[in-house]
Amino acid sequence: DAGITQSPRHKVTETGTPVTLRCHQTENHRYMYWYRQDPGHGLRLIHYSYGVKDTDKGEVSDGYSVSRSKTEDFLLTLESATSSQTSVYFCAISGTSGYEQYFGPGTRLTVT
Amino acid sequence: KNEVEQSPQNLTAQEGEFITINCSYSVGISALHWLQQHPGGGIVSLFMLSSGKKKHGRLIATINIQEKHSSLHITASHPRDSAVYICAVRSSAGNKLTFGGGTRVLVKP
Repeated sequence: DAGITQSPRHKVTETGTPVTLRCHQTENHRYMYWYRQDPGHGLRLIHYSYGVKDTDKGEVSDGYSVSRSKTEDFLLTLESATSSQTSVYFCAISGTSGYEQYFGPGTRLTVT
Repeated sequence: KNEVEQSPQNLTAQEGEFITINCSYSVGISALHWLQQHPGGGIVSLFMLSSGKKKHGRLIATINIQEKHSSLHITASHPRDSAVYICAVRSSAGNKLTFGGGTRVLVKP
């Protein structure tokens, strides 16, 4: 298995609070991604990174920000969580060749 | 219309049956991925293909670029194959994936 961890694995938070999810990799892969998975929508890209300090938006980026200060860590921040952000969040990584993506175990976030 | 459509959405089979899942897409792609998500939630990459056919154990994936269509076959299905199977395409333009809605497969003993 690719070395990807996500923390926390489960979180319950209240509307309006800030939340940060962490994705950590030990594979030294260049690309990192944050997805959310919701019933009826499948996986949707929130943000991705193509290198340290290089990030770009995905299709559902509103309300989320990201940061990547070192190769191994990609942080997803909800500045002010809303109930619509209740979801399962997956991090994924891919190298510069092959483009195959490896997924982390997921973080289940509930915003009450 | 979604860029990536999977069919069927749900499938129930008896152990030993041959299973086919279909994926159609509407954009030019550089590669197509098949992923498996077990009830525990973890997502595993099964195949990445850009032409022809790939086989791994009892799983076979095919792609027809001209028809913009791919199939995932499971031969001699087993209850442990019960999972959600997800098709995803990488556009010709970049490194991002677009996902289908998934096919939920249940194999009964």
